[in-house]
Amino acid sequence: DAKTTQPPSMDCAEGRAANLPCNHSTISGNEYVYWYRQIHSQGPQYIIHGLKNNETNEMASLIITEDRKSSTLILPHATLRDTAVYYCIVRVDLRLQGGSEKLVFGKGMKLTVNP
Amino acid sequence: DADVTQTPRNRITKTGKRIMLECSQTKGHDRMYWYRQDPGLGLRLIYYSFDVKDINKGEISDGYSVSRQAQAKFSLSLESAIPNQTALYFCATETRTGNEQFFGPGTRLTVL
Repeated sequence: DAKTTQPPSMDCAEGRAANLPCNHSTISGNEYVYWYRQIHSQGPQYIIHGLKNNETNEMASLIITEDRKSSTLILPHATLRDTAVYYCIVRVDLRLQGGSEKLVFGKGMKLTVNP
Repeated sequence: DADVTQTPRNRITKTGKRIMLECSQTKGHDRMYWYRQDPGLGLRLIYYSFDVKDINKGEISDGYSVSRQAQAKFSLSLESAIPNQTALYFCATETRTGNEQFFGPGTRLTVL
């Protein structure tokens, strides 16, 4: 079972920041938070991941609360092409426990960016 | 050129037929995965392989088998296709450190 909770859907205006929430209240100390997105029926695309520090890359920023029980993915200037299903996933560092932990996808959250 | 390719991209078949879906990658990754996705749902793991000699069942392996012919190739077979195997199938690759999985474009399979 997925270890995260996301709202089923969210709308955002084009050009505005999209803030996508995720709850992972049972996260353990060696679990990372990953974000992927799936545009229409294409293969999912990795966005970003983090352990406890905030992370930023060319696609997005990831803000993880101090207690690590929730996080927010921020798309700073949403475009129509950001319309997709976004998956928040927690996963143990593969360098631990023999590297056997898999990604477990829940239903995700549908983000619709409106013109 | 795509790093992870899947063939065929679309396939319609009949109940009882044997079907093979193929995945090839040029990323040099050791880990490969097969997922299926049903409408409105997330991806579910069918099988995965951490290297050529390693094959593991995922959460929904019944009715499926796999073959890891080489580091670059990972095939998924449906020995006797049934209608509830109609789905979108994705192959993915990953490095040993697992920072990112790279997905293929998917194969849409319809079993009549």
